[in-house]
Amino acid sequence: AQSVTQLGSHVSVSEGALVLLRCNYSSSVPPYLFWYVQYPNQGLQLLLKYTTGATLVKGINGFEAEFKKSETSFHLTKPSAHMSDAAEYFCAVSESSSASKIIFGSGTRLSIRP
Amino acid sequence: EAQVTQNPRYLITVTGKKLTVTCSQNMNHEYMSWYRQDPGLGLRQIYYSMNVEVTDKGDVPEGYKVSRKEKRNFPLILESPSPNQTSLYFCASSFGQGEETQYFGPGTRLLVL
Repeated sequence: AQSVTQLGSHVSVSEGALVLLRCNYSSSVPPYLFWYVQYPNQGLQLLLKYTTGATLVKGINGFEAEFKKSETSFHLTKPSAHMSDAAEYFCAVSESSSASKIIFGSGTRLSIRP
Repeated sequence: EAQVTQNPRYLITVTGKKLTVTCSQNMNHEYMSWYRQDPGLGLRQIYYSMNVEVTDKGDVPEGYKVSRKEKRNFPLILESPSPNQTSLYFCASSFGQGEETQYFGPGTRLLVL
């Protein structure tokens, strides 16, 4: 069965600094990997996802993530943080089967310091 | 506009008083699910439905019921709510599982006294 671990429940960075949110997964078959973002008082929305092909995936709002099979990781990065990036971020994994359900990590709250 | 709607958005109730949270999607999605979000635990799946009249338990189904009589609607029923069901609930829909993107409703914050 698949699982996902997000390191750090809270990350704080200065505006303009690099954002790095860590995600490691466990899966017995090739995984599908997702990052979802939740802004205050809203539902989750997809930031980006990896299914097959290029391991560097670009998403909305300047975010990107790289699938590293050898490290079982899918870390989320953004070169320069903006105040509007303050939100909770969830990494998620499902398996390459149409019947596989998605498993979410516990979330990382990103704060941006002025 | 493509969306998932939930009602009510906020609800305060008392132990044992039956309640229903509605969920509706207008994207013709076959797959729908309910999650609860609790601090430090992320999202945990309560129930899901692969299609009309097909539902199955998720990871935390105890104390909840669902039905899927129409493709667009997937209500969550708490027959006898208890304080440990105080949580933030999300409905989501998609074309399927696996690699499909899930679309989430805005959430329902429930407080059971």
